[in-house]
Amino acid sequence: NAGVMQNPRHLVRRRGQEARLRCSPMKGHSHVYWYRQLPEEGLKFMVYLQKENIIDESGMPKERFSAEFPKEGPSILRIQQVVRGDSAAYFCASSPSVGRGGNEQFFGPGTRLTVL
Amino acid sequence: AQTVTQSQPEMSVQEAETVTLSCTYDTSESDYYLFWYKQPPSRQMILVIRQEAYKQQNATENRFSVNFQKAAKSFSLKISDSQLGDAAMYFCAYRRNNAGNMLTFGGGTRLMVKP
Repeated sequence: NAGVMQNPRHLVRRRGQEARLRCSPMKGHSHVYWYRQLPEEGLKFMVYLQKENIIDESGMPKERFSAEFPKEGPSILRIQQVVRGDSAAYFCASSPSVGRGGNEQFFGPGTRLTVL
Repeated sequence: AQTVTQSQPEMSVQEAETVTLSCTYDTSESDYYLFWYKQPPSRQMILVIRQEAYKQQNATENRFSVNFQKAAKSFSLKISDSQLGDAAMYFCAYRRNNAGNMLTFGGGTRLMVKP
């Protein structure tokens, strides 16, 4: 069972360009979470999705950022018109379900976004 | 809102010795989980240990154990017989149990292991 896959691992964009980050959850997992890690900081929750639904986007910046998890294919985190402050590592995690049982979130290796 | 605080930005330990990393959290919930994650230079997030708040017994995983003090909202990680491979960033994280699974992380502690 392959782990959580993220691509690309490294992404370089110039200011004003768009960044698309992809996450394929573990097989059988229908819950996806995106986190952002700024340099020398802990991970910060951005958005929680299930297939075709955004469940919680309370950590997502209101502008330029969007996320989706379509019925088929990977989850996508999209950042439009990137700025230097968007430079960070973006982690995706997946879990099979929620609730009691402490279903562990399995993390991908992250995408390091650099904005020039 | 829940917050997680790690007051030690850096810690160092001699190989084979024991080290304790501190974590405190703030929540009004009574049902939640606490975690310690390890992030080596590869940046992969690795779950080290988890604790369920309603369990009084402290969790242990081989050389890793926790001291969970619910009333004090404290959750420290003890690493025994430290190894060079333990050198990494360590993050404490909180997750409440009744709405989704999102994790709230502390700022991290960088652990250095001296040979």
